[in-house]
Amino acid sequence: SAVISQKPSRDICQRGTSLTIQCQVDSQVTMMFWYRQQPGQSLTLIATANQGSEATYESGFVIDKFPISRPNLTFSTLTVSNMSPEDSSIYLCSVEDPTSGGSSYNEQFFGPGTRLTVL
Amino acid sequence: GEDVEQSLFLSVREGDSSVINCTYTDSSSTYLYWYKQEPGAGLQLLTYIFSNMDMKQDQRLTVLLNKKDKHLSLRIADTQTGDSAIYFCAETAGKLIFGQGTTLQVKP
Repeated sequence: SAVISQKPSRDICQRGTSLTIQCQVDSQVTMMFWYRQQPGQSLTLIATANQGSEATYESGFVIDKFPISRPNLTFSTLTVSNMSPEDSSIYLCSVEDPTSGGSSYNEQFFGPGTRLTVL
Repeated sequence: GEDVEQSLFLSVREGDSSVINCTYTDSSSTYLYWYKQEPGAGLQLLTYIFSNMDMKQDQRLTVLLNKKDKHLSLRIADTQTGDSAIYFCAETAGKLIFGQGTTLQVKP
């Protein structure tokens, strides 16, 4: 299993500012994922972050708006840039089971999320 | 594209069984999952089923899979107030695709 912590747990930000969310894992993992959960909605994958390479973004998400860093195998950051009220969401970090050994079943573990409100 | 649909809300009385339903579109999904999200917490994997199975039982949880109809259900026996949460089904289509979540309300 993996234990994931996120900082901050919540924040209230002004329109036009940026917020960087940190994700720390207690074990080394190859792939880390960032999701957005808008109010009353499902989880949507923003991007996949691999250490040593650029993040891979899903359709509708761009690096300029959501820059991601992955400096090592236990840590990643997601920045929400030039925020607007539409960015108010819960942002969740997730990792694949570090003990899966590449099997097709691969449990994903989720952090507690960062609840962002943009005024 | 891939899509996962769930009903949004279910209310049951404590001690009753709860059945949460889900439909998905990607017939190539190898695994299907049920996640639980409690207030203020991240998602926790409850159970999963391999696509060549039609049923899986794990204590109070029973997962039924109808691959022909692309229908997945989660039955919680003897539902408790601690089961109140949002339940997400998810399929793997290269990545996890989540449904909208079903809010389960358990009344004492």
